Amino acid sequence: TQLLEQSPQFLSIQEGENLTVYCNSSSVFSSLQWYRQEPGEGPVLLVTVVTGGEVKKLKRLTFQFGDARKDSSLHITAAQPGDTGLYLCAGEVGAGNMLTFGGGTRLMVKP
Amino acid sequence: NAGVTQTPKFRILKIGQSMTLQCTQDMNHNYMYWYRQDPGMGLKLIYYSVGAGITDKGEVPNGYNVSRSTTEDFPLRLELAAPSQTSVYFCASIQSGPRWRTNEKLFFGSGTQLSVL
Repeated sequence: TQLLEQSPQFLSIQEGENLTVYCNSSSVFSSLQWYRQEPGEGPVLLVTVVTGGEVKKLKRLTFQFGDARKDSSLHITAAQPGDTGLYLCAGEVGAGNMLTFGGGTRLMVKP
Repeated sequence: NAGVTQTPKFRILKIGQSMTLQCTQDMNHNYMYWYRQDPGMGLKLIYYSVGAGITDKGEVPNGYNVSRSTTEDFPLRLELAAPSQTSVYFCASIQSGPRWRTNEKLFFGSGTQLSVL
């Protein structure tokens, strides 16, 4: 069982479509990060969100942090084949310094 | 800077064998983490450390042990390898832990692909 639940697990779409990926937990996060990972490599940081209700944009990617800091979403506009990869959310859960990842959303964008 | 260095890159073990996965970072980071990633899945936290001499269990610690005698090194030990431990293992480090206030990020090693047969 993942402490951070991501949905959907898999997503296959056509180039030009929009999509949203969700990251949910029953815990409150002090901050949350989104990463993208390609096969054979470690995850690469996309963004950090720290304030409830915060919205950050990175070109065609929009990240939201829920008001209660228990959930986050990643929206991609006009997806391109280069967006294909595994998207992971990560956050501090509970007391201490456990830094946990969600189960990931595997995105495939077809040309 | 070399960043986070993991060795070996690949290893095949027989059931019941033991081995140590090495992880070294040269950034003077306090926080270090070991994760495992099964095919197509997210990362699961095995153990972590907030500084030399301090380690703690993550989500899936059974079958593993760690030590942190120096700031630089955080080895992961498998005592009795089992097929369920077949996975890719990532070591990561960060300076000030997960309470980020900037875009401070985790630095990842390149991973160790382990197969237990």
